[in-house]
Amino acid sequence: GAGVSQSPRYKVAKRGQDVALRCDPISGHVSLFWYQQALGQGPEFLTYFQNEAQLDKSGLPSDRFFAERPEGSVSTLKIQRTQQEDSAVYLCASSFSRTNNSPLHFGNGTRLTVT
Amino acid sequence: QKEVEQNSGPLSVPEGAIASLNCTYSDRGSQSFFWYRQYSGKSPELIMFIYSNGDKEDGRFTAQLNKASQYVSLLIRDSQPSDSATYLCAVTGDYKLSFGAGTTVTVRA
Repeated sequence: GAGVSQSPRYKVAKRGQDVALRCDPISGHVSLFWYQQALGQGPEFLTYFQNEAQLDKSGLPSDRFFAERPEGSVSTLKIQRTQQEDSAVYLCASSFSRTNNSPLHFGNGTRLTVT
Repeated sequence: QKEVEQNSGPLSVPEGAIASLNCTYSDRGSQSFFWYRQYSGKSPELIMFIYSNGDKEDGRFTAQLNKASQYVSLLIRDSQPSDSATYLCAVTGDYKLSFGAGTTVTVRA
């Protein structure tokens, strides 16, 4: 596709449920990032993949959060036993190279609401 | 203290005026600087990037970087109602982009 695609666009989960959020990056993009954006705040870094390798997961808030990118393309962010504080927009972004001046292209995000 | 600080706004400017947005960052090792625009309910969209001290102009937008002062700014000239959005400053030293909380700009017709 032409851009980063995320699904679902909206997800409502009851507290305690597990959710899985999908990201399909731009074809050929090496780097993939997940960010969490709370209302009125800037995106906060969660995790970074270079191809299939998860090089940085320092931003994951707890061990309930898990991300994977097994074939170096599509990525999934999984949240187990969701809590109300997990409610946010989850943004996926990809970039062509590994260098720090390669612009990030963002998907439209998944808005997660935990009730 | 957050890594990237922005004036929270909101900033209201009349149509045709200059909107001036400021950003400071704490990591002296930061090398690349970006401005993203985010419309309500949409994802961030890159509008400018700057790597070297000085000014960089692109159409109605000018980014200014002063690494000694750890300061980066964005000027929007001839502001239009379509410029009404939240502007996010982002910096990176290696691969990880750190964002400010954003400044919301409203352009009054």
